[in-house]
Amino acid sequence: DAKTTQPTSMDCAEGRAANLPCNHSTISGNEYVYWYRQIHSQGPQYIIHGLKNNETNEMASLIITEDRKSSTLILPHATLRDTAVYYCIVRVENSGYALNFGKGTSLLVTP
Amino acid sequence: KAGVTQTPRYLIKTRGQQVTLSCSPISGHRSVSWYQQTPGQGLQFLFEYFSETQRNKGNFPGRFSGRQFSNSRSEMNVSTLELGDSALYLCASSPGGAGGTEAFFGQGTRLTVV
Repeated sequence: DAKTTQPTSMDCAEGRAANLPCNHSTISGNEYVYWYRQIHSQGPQYIIHGLKNNETNEMASLIITEDRKSSTLILPHATLRDTAVYYCIVRVENSGYALNFGKGTSLLVTP
Repeated sequence: KAGVTQTPRYLIKTRGQQVTLSCSPISGHRSVSWYQQTPGQGLQFLFEYFSETQRNKGNFPGRFSGRQFSNSRSEMNVSTLELGDSALYLCASSPGGAGGTEAFFGQGTRLTVV
C-alpha cells in the first residue's frame, strides 16, 4: 500500500469548514483513499473513501486531485464533537483489512 | 443491528501470564482484523482472519496469535506477557469478500501488564 503524509495537528473554529490534507504521491491506480477518525479512547470510525472522483456523504466531502497524489477531507461545519485524530489511508479495494493508519492529524475544534 | 463487541473491556495481567481477548463481529461479517494501539507506536495491524483462515499478518512476534470460529467470532491470544504489551487492542469487522469497503471497529480491550 502507498504511504501517506498528513500534518501532525490542525485547529478549526466551531462552525467553520475543516480542511484536512493528505499526500499520497506514490498511490497506485487501483488504490482507494480512505479516511477514518478516532475520537479519544474509542475505536476508529469510517468516514469516506474514493478512487478519483470527489465524494460526499452525510459526514464529509473528499476532494482528490486529478493526478491522485493528494486529497483533502472537508468537514463542512465542524463541531466540538469532530475533535479527533483523522487518518488518511490508501488501500486496494476488496483486499484484506491490513490498514496502515500512520500517525494521522489531530484536529482540535475550538468554540 | 448490533455493532462489534469486544470482551473484556479492561484487563490487568501480570508479566509472564497469557491472555485471551474476544471479538464478536457484526452479524454476517466474515472478516475480523486485530490492531494494537500504544502511545508510542500508534495503531498497528496484528492480523486478519477471513472465513476461519488467517489472510494477513502484521509484524508482531509469535507470542501474538489468533483464530476465528465458524460463526466468525475471533479470539486473539498473547502468551508470556511483557510490560510493553500494555495497550488498547481493537478489532474490526467487515463483510470481506468482494463487497467489503469499510471496517467497523469495536471499543477495544484495554490491557495493562504489571
